[in-house]
Amino acid sequence: GNSVTQMEGPVTLSEEAFLTINCTYTATGYPSLFWYVQYPGEGLQLLLKATKADDKGSNKGFEATYRKETTSFHLEKGSVQVSDSAVYFCALSLYSSASKIIFGSGTRLSIRP
Amino acid sequence: NAGVMQNPRHLVRRRGQEARLRCSPMKGHSHVYWYRQLPEEGLKFMVYLQKENIIDESGMPKERFSAEFPKEGPSILRIQQVVRGDSAAYFCASSPPDSTGELFFGEGSRLTVL
Repeated sequence: GNSVTQMEGPVTLSEEAFLTINCTYTATGYPSLFWYVQYPGEGLQLLLKATKADDKGSNKGFEATYRKETTSFHLEKGSVQVSDSAVYFCALSLYSSASKIIFGSGTRLSIRP
Repeated sequence: NAGVMQNPRHLVRRRGQEARLRCSPMKGHSHVYWYRQLPEEGLKFMVYLQKENIIDESGMPKERFSAEFPKEGPSILRIQQVVRGDSAAYFCASSPPDSTGELFFGEGSRLTVL
Protein backbone atom coordinates (compact mmCIF):
# COMPACT_ATOMS: atom_id res chain seq x y z
CA GLY A 1 0.00 0.00 0.00
CA ASN A 2 0.86 3.66 0.02
CA SER A 3 2.47 5.01 3.16
CA VAL A 4 4.82 7.53 4.69
CA THR A 5 7.38 6.70 7.36
CA GLN A 6 9.14 9.44 9.20
CA MET A 7 11.67 9.70 11.95
CA GLU A 8 10.24 9.26 15.40
CA GLY A 9 10.56 12.08 17.83
CA PRO A 10 10.89 13.95 19.89
CA VAL A 11 13.98 15.58 18.46
CA THR A 12 15.71 18.11 20.71
CA LEU A 13 18.43 20.39 19.38
CA SER A 14 20.25 23.49 20.47
CA GLU A 15 19.71 26.74 18.64
CA GLU A 16 21.81 27.06 15.46
CA ALA A 17 22.24 23.29 15.16
CA PHE A 18 21.79 21.45 11.85
CA LEU A 19 18.47 19.66 11.46
CA THR A 20 17.55 16.54 9.53
CA ILE A 21 14.19 14.82 9.81
CA ASN A 22 14.05 11.65 7.75
CA CYS A 23 11.06 10.71 5.62
CA THR A 24 10.64 7.74 3.28
CA TYR A 25 7.61 6.72 1.31
CA THR A 26 5.99 3.80 -0.43
CA ALA A 27 3.73 4.58 -3.34
CA THR A 28 2.30 3.11 -6.49
CA GLY A 29 2.91 5.67 -9.20
CA TYR A 30 4.56 9.06 -8.91
CA PRO A 31 3.45 11.00 -5.86
CA SER A 32 3.81 14.63 -4.95
CA LEU A 33 5.60 15.06 -1.63
CA PHE A 34 5.01 17.61 1.10
CA TRP A 35 6.22 18.79 4.46
CA TYR A 36 3.64 20.37 6.73
CA VAL A 37 4.35 22.10 10.05
CA GLN A 38 2.05 22.36 13.06
CA TYR A 39 2.85 25.00 15.67
CA PRO A 40 1.42 24.55 19.18
CA GLY A 41 -2.35 24.98 19.27
CA GLU A 42 -2.65 25.54 15.54
CA GLY A 43 -3.59 23.68 12.38
CA LEU A 44 -1.12 22.40 9.84
CA GLN A 45 0.54 24.71 7.35
CA LEU A 46 2.27 23.71 4.18
CA LEU A 47 6.01 24.24 4.59
CA LEU A 48 7.29 23.04 1.23
CA LYS A 49 6.54 20.62 -1.57
CA ALA A 50 8.04 18.82 -4.56
CA THR A 51 6.04 17.35 -7.39
CA LYS A 52 8.59 15.28 -9.32
CA ALA A 53 11.89 13.47 -8.90
CA ASP A 54 14.95 15.64 -8.16
CA ASP A 55 12.79 18.67 -7.36
CA LYS A 56 13.90 20.61 -4.30
CA GLY A 57 11.30 22.33 -2.18
CA SER A 58 12.44 25.17 0.05
CA ASN A 59 10.89 27.70 2.42
CA LYS A 60 11.96 29.60 5.57
CA GLY A 61 15.44 28.07 5.40
CA PHE A 62 14.09 24.51 5.20
CA GLU A 63 14.84 22.28 2.22
CA ALA A 64 13.86 18.82 1.03
CA THR A 65 14.81 17.00 -2.18
CA TYR A 66 12.57 14.43 -3.87
CA ARG A 67 14.80 11.35 -4.23
CA LYS A 68 13.09 8.72 -6.33
CA GLU A 69 15.98 6.24 -6.13
CA THR A 70 15.83 6.12 -2.34
CA THR A 71 12.11 7.00 -2.08
CA SER A 72 12.98 9.72 0.39
CA PHE A 73 12.14 13.35 1.11
CA HIS A 74 14.29 14.30 4.10
CA LEU A 75 13.76 17.72 5.67
CA GLU A 76 16.89 19.80 6.43
CA LYS A 77 17.73 23.17 7.87
CA GLY A 78 21.23 24.52 8.37
CA SER A 79 20.65 26.52 11.54
CA VAL A 80 17.49 26.06 13.60
CA GLN A 81 15.85 28.68 15.78
CA VAL A 82 13.69 28.39 18.88
CA SER A 83 10.73 29.49 16.75
CA ASP A 84 11.13 26.30 14.67
CA SER A 85 9.85 24.23 17.59
CA ALA A 86 6.79 22.45 16.19
CA VAL A 87 5.56 19.11 14.87
CA TYR A 88 6.60 18.32 11.30
CA PHE A 89 4.57 16.01 9.06
CA CYS A 90 5.78 14.41 5.87
CA ALA A 91 3.00 13.63 3.39
CA LEU A 92 2.32 12.34 -0.09
CA SER A 93 -0.43 12.79 -2.63
CA LEU A 94 -0.87 10.30 -5.43
CA TYR A 95 -3.07 12.21 -7.78
CA SER A 96 -3.12 15.55 -9.46
CA SER A 97 -5.89 16.56 -7.12
CA ALA A 98 -5.74 16.41 -3.34
CA SER A 99 -8.15 13.51 -3.20
CA LYS A 100 -6.53 12.08 -0.16
CA ILE A 101 -3.19 13.06 1.24
CA ILE A 102 -1.40 10.45 3.32
CA PHE A 103 0.43 11.83 6.33
CA GLY A 104 3.30 10.43 8.33
CA SER A 105 2.95 10.23 12.09
CA GLY A 106 4.73 13.51 12.72
CA THR A 107 8.04 14.41 14.37
CA ARG A 108 8.06 16.77 17.32
CA LEU A 109 11.01 19.17 17.25
CA SER A 110 12.11 21.16 20.30
CA ILE A 111 14.86 23.77 20.05
CA ARG A 112 16.72 24.84 23.20
CA PRO A 113 17.90 28.46 23.42
CA ASN B 1 -9.15 36.28 1.93
CA ALA B 2 -10.20 34.42 5.05
CA GLY B 3 -8.67 31.04 5.68
CA VAL B 4 -10.46 27.85 6.62
CA MET B 5 -12.76 28.63 9.53
CA GLN B 6 -13.67 26.02 12.08
CA ASN B 7 -16.01 26.33 15.02
CA PRO B 8 -16.27 25.81 17.80
CA ARG B 9 -12.57 25.85 18.69
CA HIS B 10 -13.27 23.98 21.89
CA LEU B 11 -16.27 21.79 22.68
CA VAL B 12 -17.02 19.88 25.85
CA ARG B 13 -19.63 17.15 25.84
CA ARG B 14 -20.77 14.49 28.28
CA ARG B 15 -20.90 10.88 27.24
CA GLY B 16 -23.99 10.17 25.14
CA GLN B 17 -24.42 13.72 23.86
CA GLU B 18 -24.00 14.86 20.28
CA ALA B 19 -21.13 16.93 18.92
CA ARG B 20 -21.39 19.08 15.79
CA LEU B 21 -18.28 20.58 14.28
CA ARG B 22 -18.47 23.11 11.50
CA CYS B 23 -16.03 24.03 8.77
CA SER B 24 -16.19 26.83 6.22
CA PRO B 25 -13.63 26.31 3.47
CA MET B 26 -11.57 29.03 1.90
CA LYS B 27 -13.32 31.10 -0.74
CA GLY B 28 -13.24 29.30 -4.06
CA HIS B 29 -12.52 25.90 -2.51
CA SER B 30 -15.05 23.19 -3.22
CA HIS B 31 -13.22 20.24 -1.62
CA VAL B 32 -13.32 19.62 2.10
CA TYR B 33 -11.46 17.04 4.17
CA TRP B 34 -11.80 16.06 7.81
CA TYR B 35 -8.93 14.64 9.83
CA ARG B 36 -8.73 13.50 13.44
CA GLN B 37 -5.67 13.92 15.63
CA LEU B 38 -5.49 12.04 18.88
CA PRO B 39 -3.19 13.39 21.61
CA GLU B 40 0.47 12.92 20.67
CA GLU B 41 -0.49 11.12 17.45
CA GLY B 42 -0.52 11.95 13.77
CA LEU B 43 -3.38 12.88 11.53
CA LYS B 44 -5.89 10.26 10.50
CA PHE B 45 -7.99 10.84 7.39
CA MET B 46 -11.70 10.60 8.00
CA VAL B 47 -13.68 11.84 5.01
CA TYR B 48 -13.40 13.81 1.77
CA LEU B 49 -16.39 15.75 0.48
CA GLN B 50 -17.34 17.97 -2.39
CA LYS B 51 -20.50 20.04 -2.45
CA GLU B 52 -23.44 17.71 -1.76
CA ASN B 53 -21.29 14.60 -2.29
CA ILE B 54 -19.22 12.31 -0.12
CA ILE B 55 -16.28 11.25 -2.25
CA ASP B 56 -14.32 9.10 0.18
CA GLU B 57 -15.42 8.15 3.69
CA SER B 58 -13.02 5.26 4.15
CA GLY B 59 -11.66 6.74 7.38
CA MET B 60 -14.98 7.33 9.07
CA PRO B 61 -16.06 4.99 11.86
CA LYS B 62 -19.06 3.00 10.69
CA GLU B 63 -21.28 4.10 13.54
CA ARG B 64 -22.10 7.42 15.19
CA PHE B 65 -20.06 9.55 12.77
CA SER B 66 -21.44 11.37 9.74
CA ALA B 67 -20.40 14.27 7.56
CA GLU B 68 -22.06 16.54 5.06
CA PHE B 69 -21.18 19.47 2.85
CA PRO B 70 -24.43 21.05 1.67
CA LYS B 71 -24.88 23.29 -1.32
CA GLU B 72 -25.14 26.25 1.00
CA GLY B 73 -23.37 26.62 4.30
CA PRO B 74 -20.48 24.97 6.05
CA SER B 75 -19.43 21.34 6.15
CA ILE B 76 -20.60 19.57 9.30
CA LEU B 77 -18.97 16.66 11.09
CA ARG B 78 -21.49 15.09 13.44
CA ILE B 79 -20.69 12.66 16.21
CA GLN B 80 -23.67 11.06 17.93
CA GLN B 81 -23.61 9.52 21.41
CA VAL B 82 -20.05 10.60 22.08
CA VAL B 83 -17.70 8.43 24.12
CA ARG B 84 -14.47 9.35 25.88
CA GLY B 85 -12.43 7.88 23.03
CA ASP B 86 -13.85 10.55 20.71
CA SER B 87 -11.84 13.20 22.57
CA ALA B 88 -9.44 14.57 19.97
CA ALA B 89 -8.67 17.51 17.76
CA TYR B 90 -10.67 17.49 14.55
CA PHE B 91 -9.13 19.37 11.65
CA CYS B 92 -10.83 20.49 8.51
CA ALA B 93 -8.90 21.26 5.35
CA SER B 94 -9.96 22.55 1.96
CA SER B 95 -8.55 22.72 -1.53
CA PRO B 96 -9.58 24.21 -4.86
CA PRO B 97 -10.76 21.97 -7.71
CA ASP B 98 -7.45 22.28 -9.55
CA SER B 99 -5.24 21.57 -6.55
CA THR B 100 -1.99 19.68 -7.07
CA GLY B 101 -2.25 18.26 -3.60
CA GLU B 102 -1.89 21.19 -1.22
CA LEU B 103 -4.39 21.37 1.60
CA PHE B 104 -5.28 24.45 3.62
CA PHE B 105 -6.06 23.64 7.22
CA GLY B 106 -8.24 25.28 9.81
CA GLU B 107 -7.09 25.69 13.40
CA GLY B 108 -9.05 22.68 14.54
CA SER B 109 -11.89 21.91 16.92
CA ARG B 110 -10.87 20.29 20.16
CA LEU B 111 -13.52 17.95 21.52
CA THR B 112 -13.39 16.83 25.13
CA VAL B 113 -15.80 14.17 26.29
CA LEU B 114 -16.31 14.01 30.03
